[in-house]
Amino acid sequence: DADVTQTPRNRITKTGKRIMLECSQTKGHDRMYWYRQDPGLGLRLIYYSFDVKDINKGEISDGYSVSRQAQAKFSLSLESAIPNQTALYFCATSDPSSDRGAYGYTFGSGTRLTVV
Amino acid sequence: AQRVTQPEKLLSVFKGAPVELKCNYSYSGSPELFWYVQYSRQRLQLLLRHISRESIKGFTADLNKGETSFHLKKPFAQEEDSAMYYCALTGTSGSRLTFGEGTQLTVNP
Repeated sequence: DADVTQTPRNRITKTGKRIMLECSQTKGHDRMYWYRQDPGLGLRLIYYSFDVKDINKGEISDGYSVSRQAQAKFSLSLESAIPNQTALYFCATSDPSSDRGAYGYTFGSGTRLTVV
Repeated sequence: AQRVTQPEKLLSVFKGAPVELKCNYSYSGSPELFWYVQYSRQRLQLLLRHISRESIKGFTADLNKGETSFHLKKPFAQEEDSAMYYCALTGTSGSRLTFGEGTQLTVNP
């Protein structure tokens, strides 16, 4: 079983629709992240959460929102999807007890989102 | 602000040739640098980190604070090394990773 599971794996949606991407983890990590991956731009941080009550914006949060329903679940929502949000989205977790947390980064398999 | 730059989007070498993937960073404090790898259709995984001074799958990377670089090197590339490579940085403010743009390495037979 995967440590970090993202659903759905692929999604095609229409412009203006609301869509939610889900991430769940069995690592027991407090810290969770949402990144988007675009060719030539690398991975950019959208939102991150250091615990259930802590939500922080990343570098490209406009047009997105998140919900940390539990330690194990961190959902990303696009309130009104637009075509330039077409990308590969990754969820990740980290363990703050291991050298500032970065050593413990575990990534999900990604969700490929296409907005038409 | 922290920033990571990978100047080469694409890099192609022949099997057995040396390979170097460049990474430069900008950070005012003491950074931790990492290399992540993403094989085709797989999730990102940590390849190596500078403080470990280790060699993973024949790859090494040395942090050069004077040149603010953390280039990834391998003396003899293998076809299975073909993948997307990301350089990443975290600083003293927390564990958020900042990634570079990525370099797609292709090792030809």
